[in-house]
Amino acid sequence: NAGVMQNPRHLVRRRGQEARLRCSPMKGHSHVYWYRQLPEEGLKFMVYLQKENIIDESGMPKERFSAEFPKEGPSILRIQQVVRGDSAAYFCASSPPASGSVEQYFGPGTRLTVT
Amino acid sequence: GENVEQHPSTLSVQEGDSAVIKCTYSDSASNYFPWYKQELGKRPQLIIDIRSNVGEKKDQRIAVTLNKTAKHFSLHITETQPEDSAVYFCAASRAGYSTLTFGKGTMLLVSP
Repeated sequence: NAGVMQNPRHLVRRRGQEARLRCSPMKGHSHVYWYRQLPEEGLKFMVYLQKENIIDESGMPKERFSAEFPKEGPSILRIQQVVRGDSAAYFCASSPPASGSVEQYFGPGTRLTVT
Repeated sequence: GENVEQHPSTLSVQEGDSAVIKCTYSDSASNYFPWYKQELGKRPQLIIDIRSNVGEKKDQRIAVTLNKTAKHFSLHITETQPEDSAVYFCAASRAGYSTLTFGKGTMLLVSP
């Protein structure tokens, strides 16, 4: 039973380029969460999605960042015109369909480096 | 919104000792409190969680306690081993919400 999958594991982008991060949830999970982790810091919530719906994007910067979770395929976190401050590890987590607080299982992360 | 404070930021113990990590939360509506272990360069792994309808939960060498009145919860690791060395994160989630608010982490170092 495959866990949460993320790709790429490492991504290098020059300032001004676009970064696309992909997340495939665990089988049977329909909820996806994206978190950002800066070096030696905790995980900061960015966005919570269900299939074809953004449920909560309160943690996502208003500009340059967007997320989607289409009916078919992985969830995508997109960062346009990347800047050095976007360098971080981006983790997605998934949980099964349920109301309220449920266990979240994390993927291996994508480490984005902006040069 | 929710705010989670975690202490200490680093903790060094000798193998076989116990380790305790403490977290406080601000939102009295929070009802779910997971703990994650993250080894260097790896994904956070859920190791134990507790819901607000219980005060304590134990799984082998790890246990979590929750004090709703004081709004704090703690992770206890007994008989520590070098492989317990990692960063541990606490988190909290409000009732009816799924998103987690994390503490800043505790780096635990267990020396042989």
